[in-house]
Amino acid sequence: AQKITQTQPGMFVQEKEAVTLDCTYDTSDQSYGLFWYKQPSSGEMIFLIYQGSYDEQNATEGRYSLNFQKARKSANLVISASQLGDSAMYFCAMRGPSGGSYIPTFGRGTSLIVHP
Amino acid sequence: SAVISQKPSRDICQRGTSLTIQCQVDSQVTMMFWYRQQPGQSLTLIATANQGSEATYESGFVIDKFPISRPNLTFSTLTVSNMSPEDSSIYLCSVAQGAGSTEAFFGQGTRLTVV
Repeated sequence: AQKITQTQPGMFVQEKEAVTLDCTYDTSDQSYGLFWYKQPSSGEMIFLIYQGSYDEQNATEGRYSLNFQKARKSANLVISASQLGDSAMYFCAMRGPSGGSYIPTFGRGTSLIVHP
Repeated sequence: SAVISQKPSRDICQRGTSLTIQCQVDSQVTMMFWYRQQPGQSLTLIATANQGSEATYESGFVIDKFPISRPNLTFSTLTVSNMSPEDSSIYLCSVAQGAGSTEAFFGQGTRLTVV
């Protein structure tokens, strides 16, 4: 079975500073994918970044980067130069062949508030 | 990437009634999932919608309460039947191109309030 753990229910950061959102995972799969999504108050889920388990380099997408430490089973999201519009819920998820289903599994989420 | 149109975006419904949520994708996709997100909670998978066959439901969800249709590879519906206030949630449709695809895409979500 797959499990995603996000230990930070809420995070605060000052505008223009960087922030790291933690995510650890547990799986017996050798091949899997890790995702981060942003959910603003509107409710939609916005895909941010993806890291494959065999990718040797950390994924980056603009101001988002994923700090992937495979041995520690962690996939932390780093947001650089925070903006007020970054205030939202952030979900870490993973997808792998566990049980043959490839169903994405989500963490409980972290609420990020960016202060001016 | 897939573009997903989910309708309605929100609704307020009377208890005892039913609501059907539509999920339309701009390309053929292998896998479609329906999730529920209760207030302040993470996403919980309701079922996997399979084209040409019955949906596969997760523990705690039954077809009589959440009937799902998947008539083709670009469309699916989820019905929330005989609603109660406990069904007030965000319902999300998600698609993936296949088992090895790198991304999973979501519709805009349907914010349902049952009064």
